[in-house]
Amino acid sequence: EIVLTQSPATLSLSPGERATLSCRASQSVGHNYLAWYQQRRGRAPRLLIFAASTRATDIPDRFSGSGSGTDFNLTISGLQPEDFAVYYCQLYGGSPLFTFGPGTTVEI
Amino acid sequence: EVKLVESGGGLVKPGGSLKLSCAASGFNFGSYSMNWVRQAPGKGLEWLSYISGSASHIYYADSVRGRFIISRDNTKNSVDLQMNSLGADDTAVYYCTRGYTEFDPWGQGTLVTVSS
Repeated sequence: EIVLTQSPATLSLSPGERATLSCRASQSVGHNYLAWYQQRRGRAPRLLIFAASTRATDIPDRFSGSGSGTDFNLTISGLQPEDFAVYYCQLYGGSPLFTFGPGTTVEI
Repeated sequence: EVKLVESGGGLVKPGGSLKLSCAASGFNFGSYSMNWVRQAPGKGLEWLSYISGSASHIYYADSVRGRFIISRDNTKNSVDLQMNSLGADDTAVYYCTRGYTEFDPWGQGTLVTVSS
């Protein structure tokens, strides 16, 4: 079973600052099938990044993903007020078929 | 517009059953895999089940295998989740979502509360 670890658990920043979120897998992620989601309070998750570094449709370019193998990052360049939310990484493959990380809260 | 709308949530007693449905629109439904994901109050996301476009491949998380059954009707553009033997730890918002390697889009979710 592949386990995803996200760090930090909480990131306290101000608008305009840069956020770097980490997602580490306990085993290498095949084909970089690693995605990132944003979940604002009371809302459904929204896909931000897939295949480790590809932005989903209509996602602003201040969101970027990087990494491969076991270590992945989500960077938000210039935090906007609407970016304060919880961010989850997710991988495909292995057992279970899909795994989510525990999440990182980006707070003011 | 691609849209997913869940329904069927509510209050159910421990040991009871509930069937969730997800209505899809705005895309060629039968060409896409579908999933159910849940989120317990104040907790993270948990993938539950996957069904391929033709329903030829179905997978479950260990936590629900043997209790939950996923199915789809491509003539009605819908995917269901039959939930049996429900317990308190099944209390969550249940989301329907499209995808094979990642999930996009998501429905708004439907709340299931298991309580006596």
